[in-house]
Amino acid sequence: GQQVMQIPQYQHVQEGEDFTTYCNSSTTLSNIQWYKQRPGGHPVFLIQLVKSGEVKKQKRLTFQFGEAKKNSSLHITATQTTDVGTYFCAGTATNKLIFGTGTRLQVFP
Amino acid sequence: EAGVTQFPSHSVIEKGQTVTLRCDPISGHDNLYWYRRVMGKEIKFLLHFVKESKQDESGMPNNRFLAERTGGTYSTLKVQPAELEDSGVYFCASSPFRGRTGNTIYFGEGSWLTVV
Repeated sequence: GQQVMQIPQYQHVQEGEDFTTYCNSSTTLSNIQWYKQRPGGHPVFLIQLVKSGEVKKQKRLTFQFGEAKKNSSLHITATQTTDVGTYFCAGTATNKLIFGTGTRLQVFP
Repeated sequence: EAGVTQFPSHSVIEKGQTVTLRCDPISGHDNLYWYRRVMGKEIKFLLHFVKESKQDESGMPNNRFLAERTGGTYSTLKVQPAELEDSGVYFCASSPFRGRTGNTIYFGEGSWLTVV
């Protein structure tokens, strides 16, 4: 079946350092979404990418969708302690949203 | 506008008992999804309703799980009998447009289930 993998599984950074998580799908996606889940919370929608090669920015966050629409990345510049949480990519194929395995980010002050 | 609401927020039951989780989607949302996250693992798709019909239930783990969506409004997810491996967070989510792919999905805060 369709799989969406993310790396790394965990990332610990010092506040101010950059962070990147990568998402890879076994199948071509019609779009990709990114969610953030704080510890003890629920997934919160961040952004959706639809076009091949699309890049979107939200303040310190940069999202990219690969040319083949099978991979994506999220890059955070100059992390802050408020960035702590698990970041999930989620790809849509056959009208179903499949979540990636998630990357848990810990930021040390 | 009220978001997706789930009840109960937390539940602790013994192995073999029955638990019913309820989800009220955002009013007017045709699509309703159930997802589950067991400890430290990814968020796994369980099933998808379009109004009252099951569009896709390929993620349901076994026949101990039964989901319904009466009249296309709220949904229930029953686990009977519960097993230890059923412990986790059950998320409900909804999205507005029928048949469209890629709409933003709004999540509830989850029902945290612990089976002891």
